[in-house]
Order: sequence, then C-alpha cells, then structure tokens
Amino acid sequence: SQQGEEDPQALSIQEGENATMNCSYKTSINNLQWYRQNSGRGLVHLILIRSNEREKHSGRLRVTLDTSKKSSSLLITASRAADTASYFCATAFDYKLSFGAGTTVTVRA
Amino acid sequence: DAGVIQSPRHEVTEMGQEVTLRCKPISGHNSLFWYRQTMMRGLELLIYFNNNVPIDDSGMPEDRFSAKMPNASFSTLKIQPSEPRDSAVYFCASSDGTLNEQYFGPGTRLTVT
Repeated sequence: SQQGEEDPQALSIQEGENATMNCSYKTSINNLQWYRQNSGRGLVHLILIRSNEREKHSGRLRVTLDTSKKSSSLLITASRAADTASYFCATAFDYKLSFGAGTTVTVRA
Repeated sequence: DAGVIQSPRHEVTEMGQEVTLRCKPISGHNSLFWYRQTMMRGLELLIYFNNNVPIDDSGMPEDRFSAKMPNASFSTLKIQPSEPRDSAVYFCASSDGTLNEQYFGPGTRLTVT
C-alpha cells in the first residue's frame, strides 16, 4: 500500500516549543504532501515536497524527505495554540493521494 | 474564490433512505475527488473524476454508492439505500493537476440511524 504512517499518533507540547512528526511509506511516490485538519473541519494543504527534493520550508514549517528510507518529517517551530490540530501525510503517486492515520498535536498555552 | 463548497453540512437519515451529497469544486480545477473519513478506516478515496469523467471508482464501497459529475462545476455522491455503516464524514476535494495539492471542502457529516 502507498499509505503513509505517521508517528507519533499524538503529541502534546507547550506553546513556543517545536513539534516534530514523522511519516513512513512503502512504495514509490511522485511527491509527498502534508495536510492539517482542525476538529470538525476539512483538510488544509500545508506543503508539498517532490520526490527529487530533500527539504522544503514554508513559514514555521520545515519538511524533509528521504526517499532511500521512504520517510518524511514535518517540523513546526515555535508552536502556537492555533497549531492544535491533526496532521496528515499523504503520498502521491499518479493521481492518487493515500493518507496516513494522522498525528494529533495539542499545543498547551 | 469561495473554495470547495459542499452541501448539506450535516445529514441525518434513517436506514433505507436515499442520500445525496453535493459538491461544487473550485472554478478552473479539472480534478475532483470524493473521500470518506471514519475513525476506524481514516481517509479513503471513493472516486476520482478528471475533466468530468470518472477515472477510478475502485474505492466505492458497493453498488449502493454512485457518483456523477454532469459538468465542471457540480458533482453528486448518492447512497441508496443508506445503511448505519455509511455514517461518516464525506469530503469533496478538487485540484488543478493530478499531482498537485488538493483543496478540501468542509465535509458532510452523515449519520444513518
């Protein structure tokens, strides 16, 4: 299966701390995407990293991709209460996005 | 742009009834996806349309589910007859390229009693 698997399943941090979550997958990909979902809402695209890229930044987000290990990580720096959400990695191959089960991040004030 | 629009936002129905979920993708997007999200199974792709044509419906659970896209600005997902196990949040997403980021609607929370 293409499906990514996130680790950890849940993460609780203090405001201002960094949050790191990992994603592992099993087969070839064209790109890997990260999404955020706030409770009761739809998914919001955060960042896309192509298979030939190793690192990408967007604001307080940093994504790495290691295709040899079939893994990716998402780092959120200087977390805020508003970052409380579930984060999903999605592997893209052809037209299909396969989502992992997500990491639930709670940022404590 | 208003983003992907879905209706209704909530639907409660009795087992055996027909349910129709609606989606308006972002103007100019040529790819449309229907997903189902449950606690047990996570996010599952049900069907993918490209330029209004169904390309992959292998994720549709069974014949009770059907989807149409009569034009570039409208799609429906129909369940007939509905069953309690269909209870889930159904998302529609659109994209301007099959490998690009997808834009999700707010979802329809379906409860079948």
